[in-house]
Amino acid sequence: GQNIDQPTEMTATEGAIVQINCTYQTSGFNGLFWYQQHAGEAPTFLSYNVLDGLEEKGRFSSFLSRSKGYSYLLLKELQMKDSASYLCAGADSNYQLIWGAGTKLIIKP
Amino acid sequence: IAGITQAPTSQILAAGRRMTLRCTQDMRHNAMYWYRQDLGLGLRLIHYSNTAGTTGKGEVPDGYSVSRANTDDFPLTLASAVPSQTSVYFCASSDSIGSSNEQFFGPGTRLTVL
Repeated sequence: GQNIDQPTEMTATEGAIVQINCTYQTSGFNGLFWYQQHAGEAPTFLSYNVLDGLEEKGRFSSFLSRSKGYSYLLLKELQMKDSASYLCAGADSNYQLIWGAGTKLIIKP
Repeated sequence: IAGITQAPTSQILAAGRRMTLRCTQDMRHNAMYWYRQDLGLGLRLIHYSNTAGTTGKGEVPDGYSVSRANTDDFPLTLASAVPSQTSVYFCASSDSIGSSNEQFFGPGTRLTVL
């Protein structure tokens, strides 16, 4: 079957660094997406990885290991506005996205 | 219009009633999608459309139907609503169905079926 696993909730301190992990099993693999979703709002795109390694985009970085079926999202210099849910999604052989339940990130001052 | 719009924003519906959720995009995207989001679960694909005139079933299509008469509009219809269809519904679009094509989401419709 297809499955995406990520922690339900994490807490971090403003200004710190946090890493949100995601493991995936998909029928075929066409990349791994990360989205951000603030409470009551729509998901918005953060990153896409299809090759192994780290992709850096400002304060956010995303890593992929295809051999391990593993990805993480790294958030640096945390700000209060980063409090949100972070959704991991794998693209299967038909390019359909299989979504994790999301990780709720709570930032404390 | 900028991006994707959905209507209504929220709705309370009696079980057994018919309901159409509307979705319109102005980005000339070929692919469109309908998801439902329930607490503790990931987004689940209901139906999708690769291009105007074609539709396909997602993971949870039962009880829902869609049409894609043109590029911009992708309505979702619940023929006879049931309480298990209480959820937040998101419409999304992408340039095409393909590897790196990010999906853009509408603001969602919160539907309660009593």
